[in-house]
Amino acid sequence: DAKTTQPNSMESNEEEPVHLPCNHSTISGTDYIHWYRQLPSQGPEYVIHGLTSNVNNRMASLAIAEDRKSSTLILHRATLRDAAVYYCILRYGGNEKLTFGTGTRLTIIP
Amino acid sequence: GAVVSQHPSWVICKSGTSVKIECRSLDFQATTMFWYRQFPKQSLMLMATSNEGSKATYEQGVEKDKFLINHASLTLSTLTVTSAHPEDSSFYICSATDLRQGAVVSYEQYFGPGTRLTVT
Repeated sequence: DAKTTQPNSMESNEEEPVHLPCNHSTISGTDYIHWYRQLPSQGPEYVIHGLTSNVNNRMASLAIAEDRKSSTLILHRATLRDAAVYYCILRYGGNEKLTFGTGTRLTIIP
Repeated sequence: GAVVSQHPSWVICKSGTSVKIECRSLDFQATTMFWYRQFPKQSLMLMATSNEGSKATYEQGVEKDKFLINHASLTLSTLTVTSAHPEDSSFYICSATDLRQGAVVSYEQYFGPGTRLTVT
């Protein structure tokens, strides 16, 4: 499985935008980029996914580099409820499996 | 949105006993369900993939005779931890994919809230 690299932790002030980076230099052409987040003592929650183009939804935006070797999850206005571990995952196009890495623990400062 | 439930949310059992955890998709039919295990301060580790009506596929290193998985219907999968020992204490999480997304390649997974197992 292609691997991803994320910072272990990040902090952001409440109501500020947050940019969570992810490197995936070995990504293949059929790998989708997925982001999930996990709040304390809960199961993960889908955030967003993309293949080549930037994506927006009600939760976040996903900016994908032109060479697809990196991506950035953007939370436009962080709230305390966004404090979680964020996982960047590559999913092979023909496979439903997700392989979770260590993720980035996001702390929101009031 | 699609909802996945797990029961129980937490369980304490004695060493040597078996424990069954249920995973249900409440408002959709799941072609595939996944079972994960998560130890404290660690990431999720995929244990097995379960398809309705067929045998589960286990990841390398996961004992299929110890972690019995049954996916009897499109809305229910169960994980039974047999002869549980303290080292099996963990947070067990299931997820499911939605049949309605059949033509969509995103394969978004919907996760349950998890079951915390403590073996004494």
